[in-house]
Amino acid sequence: EAGVVQSPRYKIIEKKQPVAFWCNPISGHNTLYWYRQNLGQGPELLIRYENEEAVDDSQLPKDRFSAERLKGVDSTLKIQPAELGDSAVYLCASSLDSTVRSGNTIYFGEGSWLTVV
Amino acid sequence: KQEVTQIPAALSVPEGENLVLNCSFTDSAIYNLQWFRQDPGKGLTSLLLIQSSQREQTSGRLNASLDKSSGRSTLYIAASQPGDSATYLCAVEGGSYIPTFGRGTSLIVHP
Repeated sequence: EAGVVQSPRYKIIEKKQPVAFWCNPISGHNTLYWYRQNLGQGPELLIRYENEEAVDDSQLPKDRFSAERLKGVDSTLKIQPAELGDSAVYLCASSLDSTVRSGNTIYFGEGSWLTVV
Repeated sequence: KQEVTQIPAALSVPEGENLVLNCSFTDSAIYNLQWFRQDPGKGLTSLLLIQSSQREQTSGRLNASLDKSSGRSTLYIAASQPGDSATYLCAVEGGSYIPTFGRGTSLIVHP
């Protein structure tokens, strides 16, 4: 079974340019998460989807970040315009159903490494 | 707001030692606690998940315990090997459905 797939793996862009990250979760997983991880830190949630609905986006900087999950499967995270402080790893993860209160194992992709210069 | 702390931040041990990594959380109303491993330049790999009704989980040389009342979990690694070198993160999931992570413990096992 394929895991969570993310692309691109690495991206270097100049500040003020746009960038987009794509995620394909594990087949059948209803819940999709986007996390941001800075060097030496733990991942921090940006947005959580239940199927196609964004149910928690309180930590998403909405002035420059946007996300969508088409048909409740693949998801795209966009930054426009990028700032120097956006340099980080953007991790996508999925789980069967986060509303299941127990046993909700989360599976992560390899991450998309963004450097803004 | 849930806060997760992991101690120590870094650990260097000789091969063969048994070691304990600690994770503490401020809100004991959790449903799951999950331990992950992260290798340099990679994503997170799930190691063990403990449900709130469980006290511990074991997988090979790994054993994770959970004490909800005191807000603590430990990850025990037996007979450490150089291949265990990685960053270990714990994440707790409570009523908000948001898995909250600690900053991790960076482990180096030297031959």
